[in-house]
Amino acid sequence: GENVEQHPSTLSVQEGDSAVIKCTYSDSASNYFPWYKQELGKGPQLIIDIRSNVGEKKDQRIAVTLNKTAKHFSLHITETQPEDSAVYFCAAIAHGGYQKVTFGIGTKLQVIP
Amino acid sequence: DVKVTQSSRYLVKRTGEKVFLECVQDMDHENMFWYRQDPGLGLRLIYFSYDVKMKEKGDIPEGYSVSREKKERFSLILESASTNQTSMYLCASSLDRGQAFFGQGTRLTVV
Repeated sequence: GENVEQHPSTLSVQEGDSAVIKCTYSDSASNYFPWYKQELGKGPQLIIDIRSNVGEKKDQRIAVTLNKTAKHFSLHITETQPEDSAVYFCAAIAHGGYQKVTFGIGTKLQVIP
Repeated sequence: DVKVTQSSRYLVKRTGEKVFLECVQDMDHENMFWYRQDPGLGLRLIYFSYDVKMKEKGDIPEGYSVSREKKERFSLILESASTNQTSMYLCASSLDRGQAFFGQGTRLTVV
């Protein structure tokens, strides 16, 4: 089955700096890669996603890149703000049949004011 | 907006009790999932369902069962709760395209 590795497990940055979280996956059939943000006391919420036919996607201060050959994808947050502090999860999904989502272990991001 | 509702935010149960965690989604999604979330272990899939009355084991199904009698409802059952099942439980639903929507979570404590 799919195996998703995520690092770092914790990340502290100064407000205004950039943060990068990286994930690798094992199943070459995976073709959809969402990123989730989980704030304290809440369930994870989708913040951005990318499909395998795209190399990069941006949404304001958030971007995701995908390298299919190397089987890795990354989340980039620029100009970080205190409200970006949360746990971030990457995931990999292979379409076809029924869907099973494999998550990374999570990265706890702390933005220091 | 898609809404996934878990019946309880916090639960305290005794060892050996039978526990039901309920999840309801309002967007006619085929797929529903139960995860548990533990520090340092991330989100681990317990069971999932891709249709009414259909279920598949995830990565850690031992000690759990599920029920999906209606499309919108997916229940997680702990037949005989144990202290090692103390955890945060997250329900999610999705269409076939991949985006999963999560409930708020149920923090279960077994004493």
